[in-house]
Amino acid sequence: EAGVAQSPRYKIIEKRQSVAFWCNPISGHATLYWYQQILGQGPKLLIQFQNNGVVDDSQLPKDRFSAERLKGVDSTLKIQPAKLEDSAVYLCASSPNRGKAYNEQFFGPGTRLTVL
Amino acid sequence: KQEVTQIPAALSVPEGENLVLNCSFTDSAIYNLQWFRQDPGKGLTSLLLIQSSQREQTSGRLNASLDKSSGRSTLYIAASQPGDSATYLCAVGSGSARQLTFGSGTQLTVLP
Repeated sequence: EAGVAQSPRYKIIEKRQSVAFWCNPISGHATLYWYQQILGQGPKLLIQFQNNGVVDDSQLPKDRFSAERLKGVDSTLKIQPAKLEDSAVYLCASSPNRGKAYNEQFFGPGTRLTVL
Repeated sequence: KQEVTQIPAALSVPEGENLVLNCSFTDSAIYNLQWFRQDPGKGLTSLLLIQSSQREQTSGRLNASLDKSSGRSTLYIAASQPGDSATYLCAVGSGSARQLTFGSGTQLTVLP
C-alpha cells in the first residue's frame, strides 16, 4: 500500500511570493490533515478535511493561507503572500474512517519551506 | 484545550544505555497516544500506538506505557544504538474530530 505522497519536498521562495503544496493521501482514507512544524517545535494542526468538507480550520491563518480538497482525494495548501515566519515543514497526514487503523494518522515526508 | 509536554528536551547517552523519555498531557479524555520518530529534515515515522484501553505496547527494543489517570506516558528504549539518534515526538489523540496534539519532542543523541 502506497503511503502519503507530498510534493515538492523542498521549496525556497522570497517573502511576499506565493507557494503551493500538494498532498495525495493513502487510498481510501477519508480524513486529511495539514500540519505546520516550525523548527524545534511539534507539528501544529492547520486544517482537517473529512472527504471534501472542512472539519476544523480554526488555526489556519486565513488572511494568507488557503486549502482545498475538491474531489475528496488529494489536497492543495497555498500561502499567498508568504512571510518569513512561514518557514517550516508542512506535513500532510491521512486517516481511515473505519477498520483497524481508525484513529491512527499516517504522515507524508513533508515539504520544507524556506522564506527569504 | 489539550497540552502535551515532553521532558527532557534533549538527551545525550552513551551507546548501550537503557533510557526513558517522558510525555505528559493535561486532559485524560484521550482515545490513543502515539510515539513518533523524526530524523533531521524528514517526516514522522510512527513507532508505537497505544489505545486508551491499553497500558503498554512493545516493538523490538521499544516499550511505551500509558497511565491515563495521571496523564503520563513513557517511551523506554533498551540497549540504545547510535542509529536511535533522532527526535522523538509524543502525540495525544483526543476530541470528537480525532485530532492529534503534539509535544515539542525530545532530541536524543546516542554516542558511539
